[in-house]
Amino acid sequence: GENVEQHPSTLSVQEGDSAVIKCTYSDSASNYFPWYKQELGKRPQLIIDIRSNVGEKKDQRIAVTLNKTAKHFSLHITETQPEDSAVYFCAEKFGNEKLTFGTGTRLTIIP
Amino acid sequence: DTGVSQDPRHKITKRGQNVTFRCDPISEHNRLYWYRQTLGQGPEFLTYFQNEAQLEKSRLLSDRFSAERPKGSFSTLEIQRTEQGDSAMYLCASSLTIGEQYFGPGTRLTVT
Repeated sequence: GENVEQHPSTLSVQEGDSAVIKCTYSDSASNYFPWYKQELGKRPQLIIDIRSNVGEKKDQRIAVTLNKTAKHFSLHITETQPEDSAVYFCAEKFGNEKLTFGTGTRLTIIP
Repeated sequence: DTGVSQDPRHKITKRGQNVTFRCDPISEHNRLYWYRQTLGQGPEFLTYFQNEAQLEKSRLLSDRFSAERPKGSFSTLEIQRTEQGDSAMYLCASSLTIGEQYFGPGTRLTVT
Protein backbone atom coordinates (compact mmCIF):
# COMPACT_ATOMS: atom_id res chain seq x y z
CA GLY A 1 0.00 0.00 0.00
CA GLU A 2 1.04 3.56 -0.55
CA ASN A 3 -1.51 6.15 0.50
CA VAL A 4 -4.96 6.05 2.06
CA GLU A 5 -7.26 9.07 2.28
CA GLN A 6 -10.09 8.98 4.79
CA HIS A 7 -13.13 11.25 5.06
CA PRO A 8 -14.62 12.86 7.00
CA SER A 9 -12.18 13.60 9.79
CA THR A 10 -15.04 14.20 12.22
CA LEU A 11 -18.63 13.02 12.10
CA SER A 12 -21.51 13.61 14.46
CA VAL A 13 -24.77 11.73 14.09
CA GLN A 14 -27.91 11.41 16.16
CA GLU A 15 -28.32 8.17 18.03
CA GLY A 16 -30.19 5.72 15.85
CA ASP A 17 -29.08 7.30 12.58
CA SER A 18 -26.50 5.82 10.20
CA ALA A 19 -22.87 6.80 9.84
CA VAL A 20 -20.74 6.39 6.73
CA ILE A 21 -16.96 6.76 6.52
CA LYS A 22 -15.11 6.59 3.22
CA CYS A 23 -11.55 5.74 2.25
CA THR A 24 -9.67 5.93 -1.02
CA TYR A 25 -6.46 4.08 -1.76
CA SER A 26 -3.90 4.35 -4.51
CA ASP A 27 -2.23 0.94 -4.83
CA SER A 28 -4.23 -1.19 -7.24
CA ALA A 29 -2.48 -4.28 -5.88
CA SER A 30 -4.03 -3.82 -2.42
CA ASN A 31 -6.21 -6.76 -1.58
CA TYR A 32 -7.15 -6.51 2.09
CA PHE A 33 -9.10 -3.68 3.74
CA PRO A 34 -9.73 -3.74 7.50
CA TRP A 35 -11.45 -1.21 9.71
CA TYR A 36 -10.31 -0.54 13.26
CA LYS A 37 -12.11 1.18 16.11
CA GLN A 38 -10.00 2.98 18.70
CA GLU A 39 -11.43 4.34 21.91
CA LEU A 40 -9.52 6.97 23.83
CA GLY A 41 -6.35 5.54 25.33
CA LYS A 42 -7.04 2.03 24.06
CA ARG A 43 -5.68 -0.26 21.38
CA PRO A 44 -7.08 -0.29 17.82
CA GLN A 45 -9.63 -3.10 17.58
CA LEU A 46 -10.50 -4.83 14.35
CA ILE A 47 -14.23 -4.51 13.76
CA ILE A 48 -14.65 -5.72 10.19
CA ASP A 49 -12.54 -6.43 7.13
CA ILE A 50 -13.01 -7.22 3.46
CA ARG A 51 -10.85 -8.87 0.83
CA SER A 52 -10.62 -7.81 -2.76
CA ASN A 53 -12.63 -10.71 -4.12
CA VAL A 54 -15.72 -9.53 -2.25
CA GLY A 55 -17.80 -6.38 -2.85
CA GLU A 56 -19.66 -6.18 0.45
CA LYS A 57 -19.55 -7.72 3.90
CA LYS A 58 -21.94 -7.26 6.79
CA ASP A 59 -21.77 -8.04 10.48
CA GLN A 60 -24.87 -7.03 12.43
CA ARG A 61 -24.98 -3.21 12.38
CA ILE A 62 -21.66 -2.83 10.57
CA ALA A 63 -21.04 -3.25 6.86
CA VAL A 64 -18.14 -2.55 4.53
CA THR A 65 -18.34 -2.05 0.78
CA LEU A 66 -15.46 -2.16 -1.68
CA ASN A 67 -15.25 -0.70 -5.18
CA LYS A 68 -11.97 -1.93 -6.66
CA THR A 69 -12.43 -0.08 -9.92
CA ALA A 70 -12.74 3.25 -8.15
CA LYS A 71 -10.29 2.21 -5.40
CA HIS A 72 -12.50 3.15 -2.53
CA PHE A 73 -14.15 1.38 0.37
CA SER A 74 -16.62 2.50 2.98
CA LEU A 75 -17.74 1.65 6.50
CA HIS A 76 -21.44 1.81 7.26
CA ILE A 77 -22.81 1.75 10.81
CA THR A 78 -26.57 1.57 11.15
CA GLU A 79 -28.75 2.23 14.21
CA THR A 80 -25.86 4.01 15.91
CA GLN A 81 -25.50 3.81 19.68
CA PRO A 82 -23.50 5.93 22.15
CA GLU A 83 -20.91 3.17 22.47
CA ASP A 84 -20.11 3.56 18.78
CA SER A 85 -18.41 6.87 19.63
CA ALA A 86 -14.69 6.41 18.90
CA VAL A 87 -12.05 7.06 16.27
CA TYR A 88 -12.31 4.77 13.27
CA PHE A 89 -9.36 3.97 11.00
CA CYS A 90 -9.45 2.34 7.62
CA ALA A 91 -6.38 0.50 6.39
CA GLU A 92 -5.16 -1.46 3.42
CA LYS A 93 -2.41 -3.88 2.52
CA PHE A 94 -1.10 -5.97 -0.30
CA GLY A 95 -0.47 -9.62 0.40
CA ASN A 96 1.35 -10.14 3.66
CA GLU A 97 2.82 -6.67 3.88
CA LYS A 98 2.24 -4.04 6.52
CA LEU A 99 -0.97 -2.10 6.97
CA THR A 100 -1.22 1.46 5.72
CA PHE A 101 -3.74 3.42 7.75
CA GLY A 102 -5.98 6.34 6.98
CA THR A 103 -5.91 9.46 9.13
CA GLY A 104 -8.96 8.49 11.16
CA THR A 105 -12.54 9.66 11.67
CA ARG A 106 -13.73 10.81 15.06
CA LEU A 107 -17.34 9.62 15.31
CA THR A 108 -19.58 11.17 17.95
CA ILE A 109 -23.03 9.77 18.59
CA ILE A 110 -25.37 12.40 19.99
CA PRO A 111 -27.89 10.92 22.47
CA ASP B 1 -5.24 -12.93 28.69
CA THR B 2 -4.34 -14.54 25.38
CA GLY B 3 -4.07 -11.30 23.40
CA VAL B 4 -1.03 -9.25 22.48
CA SER B 5 0.67 -7.74 25.50
CA GLN B 6 3.19 -4.91 25.78
CA ASP B 7 5.43 -3.74 28.55
CA PRO B 8 5.75 -1.15 29.93
CA ARG B 9 2.47 0.62 29.29
CA HIS B 10 3.98 4.01 29.99
CA LYS B 11 7.54 5.26 29.89
CA ILE B 12 8.83 8.72 30.72
CA THR B 13 12.47 9.33 29.91
CA LYS B 14 14.83 12.21 29.52
CA ARG B 15 16.17 13.20 26.15
CA GLY B 16 19.30 11.27 25.30
CA GLN B 17 18.43 8.18 27.32
CA ASN B 18 17.89 4.74 25.83
CA VAL B 19 14.58 2.91 26.20
CA THR B 20 13.48 -0.64 25.41
CA PHE B 21 9.95 -1.92 24.94
CA ARG B 22 8.73 -5.48 24.87
CA CYS B 23 5.91 -7.12 22.93
CA ASP B 24 4.49 -10.60 23.47
CA PRO B 25 2.36 -11.67 20.51
CA ILE B 26 -0.53 -14.12 20.43
CA SER B 27 1.23 -17.43 20.90
CA GLU B 28 0.60 -19.09 17.54
CA HIS B 29 1.18 -15.93 15.48
CA ASN B 30 4.36 -16.00 13.44
CA ARG B 31 4.20 -12.39 12.26
CA LEU B 32 4.90 -9.45 14.55
CA TYR B 33 4.62 -5.78 13.61
CA TRP B 34 5.68 -2.54 15.26
CA TYR B 35 3.79 0.69 14.57
CA ARG B 36 4.05 4.21 15.96
CA GLN B 37 1.02 6.41 16.57
CA THR B 38 1.07 10.11 17.35
CA LEU B 39 -1.91 12.07 18.61
CA GLY B 40 -4.65 12.42 16.01
CA GLN B 41 -2.96 10.16 13.47
CA GLY B 42 -3.30 6.59 12.37
CA PRO B 43 -0.61 4.04 13.23
CA GLU B 44 2.50 4.22 11.04
CA PHE B 45 4.42 1.09 10.17
CA LEU B 46 7.93 0.75 11.59
CA THR B 47 9.05 -2.84 11.04
CA TYR B 48 7.88 -6.44 11.00
CA PHE B 49 9.12 -9.96 11.62
CA GLN B 50 8.20 -13.35 10.34
CA ASN B 51 9.37 -15.69 13.06
CA GLU B 52 12.82 -14.35 13.97
CA ALA B 53 13.55 -12.75 10.59
CA GLN B 54 13.11 -8.99 10.25
CA LEU B 55 11.60 -8.66 6.79
CA GLU B 56 11.04 -4.94 6.35
CA LYS B 57 11.93 -1.66 7.97
CA SER B 58 10.24 1.66 7.30
CA ARG B 59 12.13 4.76 6.26
CA LEU B 60 10.76 6.18 9.54
CA LEU B 61 13.04 3.83 11.44
CA SER B 62 16.23 5.80 11.92
CA ASP B 63 19.47 4.12 12.96
CA ARG B 64 18.64 4.98 16.58
CA PHE B 65 15.87 2.38 16.44
CA SER B 66 16.51 -1.34 16.54
CA ALA B 67 14.15 -4.25 16.88
CA GLU B 68 14.76 -7.91 17.58
CA ARG B 69 12.77 -11.09 17.83
CA PRO B 70 15.49 -13.55 18.80
CA LYS B 71 13.47 -16.72 19.24
CA GLY B 72 10.54 -15.91 17.06
CA SER B 73 8.31 -15.25 20.05
CA PHE B 74 8.52 -11.93 21.94
CA SER B 75 10.09 -8.86 20.38
CA THR B 76 11.92 -5.83 21.72
CA LEU B 77 12.12 -2.34 20.27
CA GLU B 78 15.00 -0.18 21.46
CA ILE B 79 15.38 3.54 20.91
CA GLN B 80 18.81 4.96 21.58
CA ARG B 81 19.53 8.60 22.40
CA THR B 82 15.85 9.47 22.58
CA GLU B 83 14.62 12.77 21.16
CA GLN B 84 11.45 14.70 21.94
CA GLY B 85 10.13 13.76 18.51
CA ASP B 86 10.16 10.12 19.58
CA SER B 87 7.27 10.79 21.96
CA ALA B 88 4.40 8.65 20.72
CA MET B 89 2.42 5.48 21.33
CA TYR B 90 4.35 2.43 20.17
CA LEU B 91 1.99 -0.32 19.13
CA CYS B 92 2.74 -3.95 18.50
CA ALA B 93 0.52 -6.24 16.44
CA SER B 94 0.65 -9.90 15.54
CA SER B 95 -0.90 -12.13 12.93
CA LEU B 96 -0.68 -15.46 11.26
CA THR B 97 1.14 -15.42 7.93
CA ILE B 98 -2.12 -14.64 6.19
CA GLY B 99 -4.53 -13.10 8.62
CA GLU B 100 -5.84 -10.22 10.61
CA GLN B 101 -3.50 -8.12 12.69
CA TYR B 102 -4.36 -7.82 16.36
CA PHE B 103 -2.91 -4.96 18.34
CA GLY B 104 -1.51 -4.76 21.82
CA PRO B 105 -2.37 -1.95 24.26
CA GLY B 106 0.72 0.03 23.31
CA THR B 107 3.57 1.68 25.18
CA ARG B 108 3.19 5.41 25.57
CA LEU B 109 6.60 7.07 25.46
CA THR B 110 7.12 10.60 26.71
CA VAL B 111 10.54 12.16 26.18
CA THR B 112 11.17 15.22 28.33
